[in-house]
Amino acid sequence: EAGVVQSPRYKIIEKKQPVAFWCNPISGHNTLYWYLQNLGQGPELLIRYENEEAVDDSQLPKDRFSAERLKGVDSTLKIQPAELGDSAVYLCASSSYRTDTQYFGPGTRLTVL
Amino acid sequence: AQTVTQSQPEMSVQEAETVTLSCTYDTSESDYYLFWYKQPPSRQMILVIRQEAYKQQNATENRFSVNFQKAAKSFSLKISDSQLGDAAMYFCALMNYGGSQGNLIFGKGTKLSVKP
Repeated sequence: EAGVVQSPRYKIIEKKQPVAFWCNPISGHNTLYWYLQNLGQGPELLIRYENEEAVDDSQLPKDRFSAERLKGVDSTLKIQPAELGDSAVYLCASSSYRTDTQYFGPGTRLTVL
Repeated sequence: AQTVTQSQPEMSVQEAETVTLSCTYDTSESDYYLFWYKQPPSRQMILVIRQEAYKQQNATENRFSVNFQKAAKSFSLKISDSQLGDAAMYFCALMNYGGSQGNLIFGKGTKLSVKP
């Protein structure tokens, strides 16, 4: 069974530029999560989807961050414009249902110069 | 508010020996799950073990076992017969049933080194 796929693995951009991250969850997993992991910290939830509905986006900085999950499968997380403080690892995870074990992708390391 | 605290930023163990990683948590919920995840340098978070709060029996998974003390809100991870491949960051995480159910609350992690 294929795991959670994320791309790109690494991204370096100049500040004020836009950036997008892509996630493909495990087949059949209805719930998808985006987490932010700063250096030396544990991951923090940005947004949770159940199918195509964003059911918890309370921690998503909506002035510059947006996300979508069309057709309830793949998801894209976008930042526009990026700031220096956005440099971090962005992790995607999926689970069969809300309280099931979450399985993580390899993450995208973003560096904003 | 739910919190997870890992008081050991770094730990070291000799290969083939046993090490215990500590975790305490706080939640007002009576039903919840607790997890230990491992994150090697490749960055991929890998599930090590999962414990349901309603179960009194401690979870085990091969060389990994937990000591779950619900009243003390403590959830430690014991790694037996440590191997070089166990070297990684270990994160303790809490998931509540109610309210924000499904959201994992992570601690700051413990970096485990394994000496040959």
